[in-house]
Amino acid sequence: QKEVEQDPGPLSVPEGAIVSLNCTYSNSAFQYFMWYRQYSRKGPELLMYTYSSGNKEDGRFTAQVDKSSKYISLFIRDSQPSDSATYLCAMMGAGSYQLTFGKGTKLSVIP
Amino acid sequence: DGGITQSPKYLFRKEGQNVTLSCEQNLNHDAMYWYRQDPGQGLRLIYYSQIVNDFQKGDIAEGYSVSREKKESFPLTVTSAQKNPTAFYLCASSNDRGVQFFGPGTRLTVL
Repeated sequence: QKEVEQDPGPLSVPEGAIVSLNCTYSNSAFQYFMWYRQYSRKGPELLMYTYSSGNKEDGRFTAQVDKSSKYISLFIRDSQPSDSATYLCAMMGAGSYQLTFGKGTKLSVIP
Repeated sequence: DGGITQSPKYLFRKEGQNVTLSCEQNLNHDAMYWYRQDPGQGLRLIYYSQIVNDFQKGDIAEGYSVSREKKESFPLTVTSAQKNPTAFYLCASSNDRGVQFFGPGTRLTVL
């Protein structure tokens, strides 16, 4: 079983839709969870950083962590064509400096 | 502006050649990382360094070498022993919470 599972997509939605991106993981030691956005041929950029379970909101983006289910989500409200990118989840345990990444979900927002 | 720079953006290597990819950061981060990204493979860790003059192998270190003589710099050499080096290479550094920030990447192609 892979440590982090992420559906690669591609996921195609109309402009204005709510997008839900998800990752599941198996390592119960993970405590820090991140979402990165990567445009084609660019480096990933950090979108959201959360610690342990709960929700975090930043503009149109909401990150959710459910440690009991080992499941994290990123919601994008009012999706825009500029949101078209690959979204990577990443996580790490306390005291660790190594991130474990999902393989990324490719999202296309159609005008 | 603080950030991570990688050069060159594109690099071409002939069979049997060693090539060096540059990574510089002015974020005053102690830890730095090198990843390789292939289509459908996600990010794979090559080497990381938590402090100057110290570095550790990641998951796919064979055929690669690094040095960390300065806090700001973490160059990666792709040696002729790396049999399939064509990939997108990403450098990152992390803050004291372990959150990683990425450079723009170098695309290496073997001719």
